[in-house]
Amino acid sequence: DAGVTQSPTHLIKTRGQQVTLRCSPKSGHDTVSWYQQALGQGPQFIFQYYEEEERQRGNFPDRFSGHQFPNYSSELNVNALLLGDSALYLCASSLGRWEGPTEAFFGQGTRLTVV
Amino acid sequence: AQSVAQPEDQVNVAEGNPLTVKCTYSVSGNPYLFWYVQYPNRGLQFLLKYITGDNLVKGSYGFEAEFNKSQTSFHLKKPSALVSDSALYFCAVLSGAGSYQLTFGKGTKLSVIP
Repeated sequence: DAGVTQSPTHLIKTRGQQVTLRCSPKSGHDTVSWYQQALGQGPQFIFQYYEEEERQRGNFPDRFSGHQFPNYSSELNVNALLLGDSALYLCASSLGRWEGPTEAFFGQGTRLTVV
Repeated sequence: AQSVAQPEDQVNVAEGNPLTVKCTYSVSGNPYLFWYVQYPNRGLQFLLKYITGDNLVKGSYGFEAEFNKSQTSFHLKKPSALVSDSALYFCAVLSGAGSYQLTFGKGTKLSVIP
């Protein structure tokens, strides 16, 4: 049973460019959340997708956008990259219906470096 | 707004000794609390969660955590530390039904010394 998979594992971009990160959730999961983890910090919630819609969003600018596909996989897009966007981007999958809080399963992350 | 505090950046413990990693939280409703572990260059792995019921929660790899409502704490514990437990530990909170945003602490680096 494959867990959460993210691609690519590493990425280097130039300021002002755009980037797309990809995530496939754990089998049986229908919800994908994205987190940004800066060096030495805990992960910060960017947004969550459920039923192909953004269900909740954290305190991130509109430069950060996403998409969820019918197979539950997801993309995170970041436009107009800033040096401060350099971080580990984590994808987490879980079950979407609120029947009680369930643990999220995380991928290994995509390390984005903006130069 | 919900928040999590992990007051220690680093905890050092000798192999075989008990370990405690501290966490306090602040939420407006009933808290749902989680502990995750992160190994170098890896994602986060779930250890345990508190939803309701017994204040002592048992999780993976021999870890347990004690929920204390009056002190708003959820400390992670293990009776006997292993060198392989050395990693970065994160406490996280969901603030009740209908909230989907996990809020994490900044993490505590645990070093188990042989």
